[in-house]
Amino acid sequence: DQQVKQNSPSLSVQEGRISILNCDYTNSMFDYFLWYKKYPAEGPTFLISISSIKDKNEDGRFTVFLNKSAKHLSLHIVPSQPGDSAVYFCAASDEYKLSFGAGTTVTVRA
Amino acid sequence: GAGVSQSPSNKVTEKGKDVELRCDPISGHTALYWYRQSLGQGLEFLIYFQGNSAPDKSGLPSDRFSAERTGGSVSTLTIQRTQQEDSAVYLCASSYNTGVNQPQHFGDGTRLSIL
Repeated sequence: DQQVKQNSPSLSVQEGRISILNCDYTNSMFDYFLWYKKYPAEGPTFLISISSIKDKNEDGRFTVFLNKSAKHLSLHIVPSQPGDSAVYFCAASDEYKLSFGAGTTVTVRA
Repeated sequence: GAGVSQSPSNKVTEKGKDVELRCDPISGHTALYWYRQSLGQGLEFLIYFQGNSAPDKSGLPSDRFSAERTGGSVSTLTIQRTQQEDSAVYLCASSYNTGVNQPQHFGDGTRLSIL
């Protein structure tokens, strides 16, 4: 039973533009949400997180938005850079165990 | 090193053999986690340690899988009598503690191939 879903397997965006990645979840007990970036043959790298008591968290070019009533979160990357090309995973936690989405492959075009 | 270290990075073995995978967490991190990613699948939780104790072993696929952690640091994941369906990337993560605002930091994984 997939509790975290990323419905877009891929996203292509022009360099300098905004990348928007979406994630939906079903478990209302999740209280902490994270985004990870993954390059081939490497482990996931932590990007940014948000707790359920907030609706927005910003770190440089990365902003995560949380809509608890819709059980939806999104990651905005502005401006997108070629080095942002990677697979992005959404994850959610209800104490310690992370449940992951299937990932979205982002390609930033020059 | 500053990050989570896993060894070996790749392991190829014959079906039926035992394998041992090692994880060295970030220094000072009390919580340690094992996940695996099978081909075409998402990351799947296996087991979690708080200190040397494993409060949740619910994700271990069968009794052929076991894990231990000693000294609150290094952990080993052991798979006995390996089967082809055990082929996957096994990822270890650690965090300072558990709960909100305690992100898990991952190693680069061990790619296990069972022939």
